[in-house]
Amino acid sequence: SQKIEQNSEALNIQEGKTATLTCNYTNYSPAYLQWYRQDPGRGPVFLLLIRENEKEKRKERLKVTFDTTLKQSLFHITASQPADSATYLCALHNAGNMLTFGGGTRLMVKP
Amino acid sequence: DVKVTQSSRYLVKRTGEKVFLECVQDMDHENMFWYRQDPGLGLRLIYFSYDVKMKEKGDIPEGYSVSREKKERFSLILESASTNQTSMYLCASSFGGGYSSYEQYFGPGTRLTVT
Repeated sequence: SQKIEQNSEALNIQEGKTATLTCNYTNYSPAYLQWYRQDPGRGPVFLLLIRENEKEKRKERLKVTFDTTLKQSLFHITASQPADSATYLCALHNAGNMLTFGGGTRLMVKP
Repeated sequence: DVKVTQSSRYLVKRTGEKVFLECVQDMDHENMFWYRQDPGLGLRLIYFSYDVKMKEKGDIPEGYSVSREKKERFSLILESASTNQTSMYLCASSFGGGYSSYEQYFGPGTRLTVT
């Protein structure tokens, strides 16, 4: 069966360091993958989309990689700030216009 | 800015009641989605609509129905609410475009409690 795995344990890092979050999947061949940020009690907010023929995508302090051989995406936040503390969700393109979401990883950036 | 609004932030209903959750988007998006989010289970798709009066079942449609009479509005209906439908419900919308799909814009969510 199709499966998306994100580390369910919270990631705690010090302000200024680079945070790296992992999204692994099995039994998928997604055309693209997306990353979202979700704050407590709010809906997810789109951050980045990366297509299967793209190895890397950047947006300001964010960087996403997509390795279709390893079936893995890495999400990096450089020079992390306490305001980056949130839950980050990866989502894989499924049939048609549908996405399947991972369970999310909570990031805590300490000052 | 895209805006997706949901009719209630918090809702408390009794077992067996019929519950309507409304979602409105203002960006003329073709696609609209209903998800529920539960601790440890993540976001799960209930129903998806790609056009007015069109719908497709998601991963967990049992116990739910939907209605899309106008492009901007997508309703989720719990015909007879049960306690296991206590959850956070999130509506989202996106542009259409077939294979080249776009990001989803989410509403603030409705926290439904069924007692």
